[in-house]
Amino acid sequence: SAVISQKPSRDICQRGTSLTIQCQVDSQVTMMFWYRQQPGQSLTLIATANQGSEATYESGFVIDKFPISRPNLTFSTLTVSNMSPEDSSIYLCSVENSGNTIYFGEGSWLTVV
Amino acid sequence: SQELEQSPQSLIVQEGKNLTINCTSSKTLYGLYWYKQKYGEGLIFLMMLQKGGEEKSHEKITAKLDEKKQQSSLHITASQPSHAGIYLCGAVRNTGKLIFGQGTTLQVKP
Repeated sequence: SAVISQKPSRDICQRGTSLTIQCQVDSQVTMMFWYRQQPGQSLTLIATANQGSEATYESGFVIDKFPISRPNLTFSTLTVSNMSPEDSSIYLCSVENSGNTIYFGEGSWLTVV
Repeated sequence: SQELEQSPQSLIVQEGKNLTINCTSSKTLYGLYWYKQKYGEGLIFLMMLQKGGEEKSHEKITAKLDEKKQQSSLHITASQPSHAGIYLCGAVRNTGKLIFGQGTTLQVKP
């Protein structure tokens, strides 16, 4: 298995500000991903965090709004920039471990006021 | 319509009863995950199925992938209040990437 820690677990943010979410894994993994879960909705993939290169974004998500860093094989950050109430969501980090199983972090629940 | 459909959307059962949640795909499933989520929290991995006809069990939860690999079911035997939560199926679309069904909310009445 993989143990994935996310920080913060919850936050209330003012509109127009930015917040960075951290994801730490207990082992080295090649693939790390960021998902968004809007209220009452299922999960949607934002991007793949690539180590040593720029993140790969899914349709509808752009780097200016969701910049991602991946400095090493155990850590990634997602920044939600210039937040609006529509960004209120749970943001989840996931990894695919060496056994090809996909695990998720505990989520970061952001509320934008 | 969604690529991955879950049914039912919500379910209320009496403690001790059995229940089944279904996940149907419009495309062949090359990997199907089941997760459980408590409100506002992360996803807990339950099971992953890859082969047609595959069946896995853990404690009182059994998941199956049909032979045609387009439908999966999650069966809970003798449900308990601890089984309550949101159950999500996720289909592998590319290495490590998942698309999800809309989720099934389960309540178990003591």
